[in-house]
Amino acid sequence: ETGVTQSPTHLIKTRGQQVTLRCSSQSGHNTVSWYQQALGQGPQFIFQYYREEENGRGNFPPRFSGLQFPNYSSELNVNALELDDSALYLCASSFQSAYEQYFGPGTRLTVT
Amino acid sequence: KQEVTQIPAALSVPEGENLVLNCSFTDSAIYNLQWFRQDPGKGLTSLLLIQSSQREQTSGRLNASLDKSSGRSTLYIAASQPGDSATYLCAVVGGYQKVTFGIGTKLQVIP
Repeated sequence: ETGVTQSPTHLIKTRGQQVTLRCSSQSGHNTVSWYQQALGQGPQFIFQYYREEENGRGNFPPRFSGLQFPNYSSELNVNALELDDSALYLCASSFQSAYEQYFGPGTRLTVT
Repeated sequence: KQEVTQIPAALSVPEGENLVLNCSFTDSAIYNLQWFRQDPGKGLTSLLLIQSSQREQTSGRLNASLDKSSGRSTLYIAASQPGDSATYLCAVVGGYQKVTFGIGTKLQVIP
C-alpha cells in the first residue's frame, strides 16, 4: 500500500509568482484535503476535494485553488504569492471525510 | 466558528511517566476527532480517530477519550519513552467537512 506523497519537497518563489503543489493519495482513498501550516502553528484547513469536486473550504482567498484528478491525485495552486504564504503545505487523503486522514510529508514553500 | 485549544502548550516529563494531553473545542457538532503526532519539519502521523458516537479509542500505550457534550478530549500516554517526544495535535471535523486543528502540545520525554 503506497502512502501519501507530495512534490516538490521544497520550493522558493518570488512575491507575485504562481505555484503548483502536487499530492498523490493513498491507494483506495477518494478524498484529499489541503492544509497550510505556518511555523509554530497548527495546520489551517484550505479545502477538501471528494471525487473531483470541492467539498469544503476554509477561510482562504480565491487565489488558493485546487484540482482533483480521476486517479484522486490533487494539485494546490496559489496565485499572486505573498510573503505570508511561506509555510509548510500538507495534503491528507482519506476514504471520505469522516474517515481517518493520512498525511503526506509536506512541501515547504518560501516566498521572498 | 470552531475553536480548538490544547493544554498544556509544552510538557517535559521523565521517561516512564504516564501523562495526559488535553484538547477542547467550542462547537460540539463534530463528526469525529483525530489525534496526530508531528516531528519537527515533518508531516503528521495519525494516532487515533474517535467518531462522534464513540467515547474512546485505544492503540498500544495510547488511549484517547471524547466527551462531545462538554467539548473535550484527552490523550493518555502510558509509560512514556524518549521516542514519544514530538508535538501532539488534535483536530475536529465539523460541518461542511471543515477541519480545525489545535496549535498542539510539544512533549519532551527526558531519558
